[in-house]
Amino acid sequence: GQSLEQPSEVTAVEGAIVQINCTYQTSGFYGLSWYQQHDGGAPTFLSYNALDGLEETGRFSSFLSRSDSYGYLLLQELQMKDSASYFCAVRGSLRAGTALIFGKGTTLSVSS
Amino acid sequence: DSGVTQTPKHLITATGQRVTLRCSPRSGDLSVYWYQQSLDQGLQFLIQYYNGEERAKGNILERFSAQQFPDLHSELNLSSLELGDSALYFCASSIAGTGTNYGYTFGSGTRLTVV
Repeated sequence: GQSLEQPSEVTAVEGAIVQINCTYQTSGFYGLSWYQQHDGGAPTFLSYNALDGLEETGRFSSFLSRSDSYGYLLLQELQMKDSASYFCAVRGSLRAGTALIFGKGTTLSVSS
Repeated sequence: DSGVTQTPKHLITATGQRVTLRCSPRSGDLSVYWYQQSLDQGLQFLIQYYNGEERAKGNILERFSAQQFPDLHSELNLSSLELGDSALYFCASSIAGTGTNYGYTFGSGTRLTVV
């Protein structure tokens, strides 16, 4: 099977930098993805890492270390609108086919 | 608007009843995925269809079933509903069978309340 662990909550202030960690266990690994979900809204795709290293997209960066089964999402210059839940996800086992399996999510609260 | 359309947005029904949730994928996307999100829970994968065929199954209950039609829209049928089935049900679509490189596009969800 597969499982993902990420912190349930993170708090930060506007302008700060925050890192959301994700560790995973999966029989087959096909990359680590990150999604953002505002309260009750549709999850939106943020990033995807298939290889080790850092991927940068504007204020957001995502990192992957396959040897450590670990990744993180780095959010810089935090804004109030970044308050949301963030989910890491991996492609499931052979049984689950190609569907993404999501962690339980990290709720980020940004205060002024 | 993400391009993935889910109807209805809200649904309230009684225990024991049956409901159908509908999803139209983004234009050009062949894969449709159904996820359930309960309070304080992550997104639980239910089932995936690719170009009309079932591709993968997750933790989908036997009371639940789905299908994808020739026009690629999909329906999720939930029967013998229980209070614990109350949740947000999301549909997502992707271009190909994997979806991992380009990400999934999610609809705005159907909020199901079973009373």
